[in-house]
Amino acid sequence: QVTLKESGPALVNPTQTLTLTCSFSGFSLSTTGMRVSWIRQPPGKALEWLARIDWDDDKFYVTSLKTRLTISKDTSKNQVVLTMTNMDPVDTATYFCARTRSMYVFDAWGQGTVVIVSS
Amino acid sequence: SYVLTQPPSVSVAPGQTARMTCGGNNIGSKSVHWYQQRPGQAPVLVVYDDTDRPSGIPERFSGSNSGNTATLTISRVEAGDEADYYCQVWDNSDHVVFGGGTKLTVL
Repeated sequence: QVTLKESGPALVNPTQTLTLTCSFSGFSLSTTGMRVSWIRQPPGKALEWLARIDWDDDKFYVTSLKTRLTISKDTSKNQVVLTMTNMDPVDTATYFCARTRSMYVFDAWGQGTVVIVSS
Repeated sequence: SYVLTQPPSVSVAPGQTARMTCGGNNIGSKSVHWYQQRPGQAPVLVVYDDTDRPSGIPERFSGSNSGNTATLTISRVEAGDEADYYCQVWDNSDHVVFGGGTKLTVL
């Protein structure tokens, strides 16, 4: 059974750096073809893909946020970490991590973690 | 950048067929994936690669894709199908593109 769970701060001050952790089980990121992505959803709005990391440590980012995002993995801990710098109120959203099949089919999702950016 | 257009809402009576469209320039040349998101929950993959269903997804869910329109069809709609539905593709310039979502209301 594949499970993913996001964790991180619920409240972040503007200009701060956000660090989110995705802890997963039921698969390994050391297995060829495995990938994990981060996706966010502002309140009442659509989904937005942010970043992806592959089994071979290849990394991909949404162009509009590329300078602010860093994705990394700890294979031994079955975790993927996303950092986003210079947080702004418009970054308020639910952040999801998802196992990613092929290049971009999100076949298992975490429950999401709500992040509010406010002073 | 590539844009996917979905109607904001679709309404259907129980037992009827719901069809939700996803428009994009020559979308028929891309693989389209569909997600169901019930209120307060994470999205769930219901159709991938235009027409395939993950294990556990009822046969009532089906997809098609041709020309400039992809369609998710739900047959014999049930109250539990009420949710937001998002289409998604890969685009070589934007990586991932999601549509704006369609809210399915079961009357």
